[in-house]
Amino acid sequence: DAKTTQPNSMESNEEEPVHLPCNHSTISGTDYIHWYRQLPSQGPEYVIHGLTSNVNNRMASLAIAEDRKSSTLILHRATLRDAAVYYCILGAGSYQLTFGKGTKLSVIP
Amino acid sequence: EAQVTQNPRYLITVTGKKLTVTCSQNMNHEYMSWYRQDPGLGLRQIYYSMNVEVTDKGDVPEGYKVSRKEKRNFPLILESPSPNQTSLYFCASSLMGRASEAFFGQGTRLTVV
Repeated sequence: DAKTTQPNSMESNEEEPVHLPCNHSTISGTDYIHWYRQLPSQGPEYVIHGLTSNVNNRMASLAIAEDRKSSTLILHRATLRDAAVYYCILGAGSYQLTFGKGTKLSVIP
Repeated sequence: EAQVTQNPRYLITVTGKKLTVTCSQNMNHEYMSWYRQDPGLGLRQIYYSMNVEVTDKGDVPEGYKVSRKEKRNFPLILESPSPNQTSLYFCASSLMGRASEAFFGQGTRLTVV
């Protein structure tokens, strides 16, 4: 199974941009790259996903490397409410989202 | 409001007593799945369903059953719960599986004593 590698934790100052990296060197051509986040005591929340091109939505931007072996989730201005565990996931097969351990993002006021 | 609803939110039960955790979605999604979350192990997929009457095993299906008789409902059944099934469970649904966003329920915290 294709897996992802993320740093265990990162810190950011409030109102500054945050770049969360993810490596997925064994990604296959049909795997989608998804990002979810999970706040304490809540279910995972969708952030963004993409296949090959960079993607933007109201929450974040997703930058995908040309060889697709890595990607970066960009939060343009971190707020305290963005403190969460962020999961980079490959959507493979018919319906397979395999979660790793994620990156715990702390936002410093 | 688009949502995935799980019940109950909290459950304490005894070993061997059959239980069902219900999951319902109001978005007419084809795909539904169940995950369990344990400290240090992250979220692991138990079962998933691609449509009514179509289900398949995820990564950790042992000790669990599911059924998909209607599109909106996807109950998780523990025929004979054991303490190692103590966990936080999440149900999720999506329109197009891996190609679309998944919506997760609020979770069911199950304790088996």
